Amino acid sequence: DTEVTQTPKHLVMGMTNKKSLKCEQHMGHRAMYWYKQKAKKPPELMFVYSYEKLSINESVPSRFSPECPNSSLLNLHLHALQPEDSALYLCASSQDMTVNYGYTFGSGTRLTVV
Amino acid sequence: DQQVKQNSPSLSVQEGRISILNCDYTNSMFDYFLWYKKYPAEGPTFLISISSIKDKNEDGRFTVFLNKSAKHLSLHIVPSQPGDSAVYFCAARLEGSQGNLIFGKGTKLSVKP
Repeated sequence: DTEVTQTPKHLVMGMTNKKSLKCEQHMGHRAMYWYKQKAKKPPELMFVYSYEKLSINESVPSRFSPECPNSSLLNLHLHALQPEDSALYLCASSQDMTVNYGYTFGSGTRLTVV
Repeated sequence: DQQVKQNSPSLSVQEGRISILNCDYTNSMFDYFLWYKKYPAEGPTFLISISSIKDKNEDGRFTVFLNKSAKHLSLHIVPSQPGDSAVYFCAARLEGSQGNLIFGKGTKLSVKP
């Protein structure tokens, strides 16, 4: 298995809803990442987990709450989002945080906040 | 201020010819550069990378050139194929940043049959 699987592929949520995005990989990768990509913009790093511990938080608002229950799974819990949070949320993984030959990305979750 | 710049939003090339995608950067502390390809409704796919201590890396039809003095890198695709049509992102890793990639805005490549 050489994939990063993200669910759901599409999500529409209201500003008062609570939802979660899921990311799963079975490649034995020990670093996992959340990126946010707005239309016509490059992906921007949100969080990095290394060996199930939060390693980097790029000043992301607290309405986004990441969780890494085990080495294969990464969640992003969403609560009280704003319409400007609508974007493509990409999960990625790599063997560890030091790799230089590239990460494996999931297909993303297209989030719309109404 | 963008640290990684892809100044051409789009590029159109004939099948069989060379595609050259360009990327400029401003931070001399980047130690690795990577190119990703992205199809619609898919995540970015890693293509090729280059260390800042090298000036060329080749993998099949893809070659990346790095000109450190000019803070410029380019991706050459030879020969170009219609299946190469996608958005190409240049990304750079800051030395010691432990996994943080900074992406350019991307260049949409169209390869015409």
